[in-house]
Amino acid sequence: EPEVTQTPSHQVTQMGQEVILRCVPISNHLYFYWYRQILGQKVEFLVSFYNNEISEKSEIFDDQFSVERPDGSNFTLKIRSTKLEDSAMYFCASSELVPNEQYFGPGTRLTVT
Amino acid sequence: ILNVEQSPQSLHVQEGDSTNFTCSFPSSNFYALHWYRWETAKSPEALFVMTLNGDEKKKGRISATLNTKEGYSYLYIKGSQPEDSATYLCASSFTSGTYKYIFGTGTRLKVLA
Repeated sequence: EPEVTQTPSHQVTQMGQEVILRCVPISNHLYFYWYRQILGQKVEFLVSFYNNEISEKSEIFDDQFSVERPDGSNFTLKIRSTKLEDSAMYFCASSELVPNEQYFGPGTRLTVT
Repeated sequence: ILNVEQSPQSLHVQEGDSTNFTCSFPSSNFYALHWYRWETAKSPEALFVMTLNGDEKKKGRISATLNTKEGYSYLYIKGSQPEDSATYLCASSFTSGTYKYIFGTGTRLKVLA
């Protein structure tokens, strides 16, 4: 069964460093999403992406964040200068169409020290 | 602000017990309610998606109901087994933007053998 994959599973970085989190969505899906869950809090929406552009973003998704689909398979989330409060589990999701069901990857745990 | 709530936050039950959790969501602009089962280091597994008031879905020992008029959904597990131990997440999508998911806090279930 097709699945969303994410790498790495755990990333440790120092405050101020740039990180790129990678996702491979399901191949025929057209909509891509990033969510995150800070420990002890709700999973929260960051951004949705369609047709090579951002469709919607939350207020969390400020200028420090960017997303890209650099080729036909990967979908990346870049954080330019990480802060301690960026430590969270980051989930990628994809859906074939809107408002079809979203399929989630296993997440990348980002730890900023 | 769209807010989805789940209760209880955590639950310990004995093997063989039946249990249920609640998810409440805003009724206006509601589109769909999703239940996921999530184990650490794995992708959240989709259990049910429901859209219509009065919907009832069943998958083995797990079932769910939906009341869109009053804005709640119940998830039931009959005869809990240790392998049911996981976090159960509900998420609502709404008819605005890109149908992003708004998640509840999750219910952490531990089934004791």
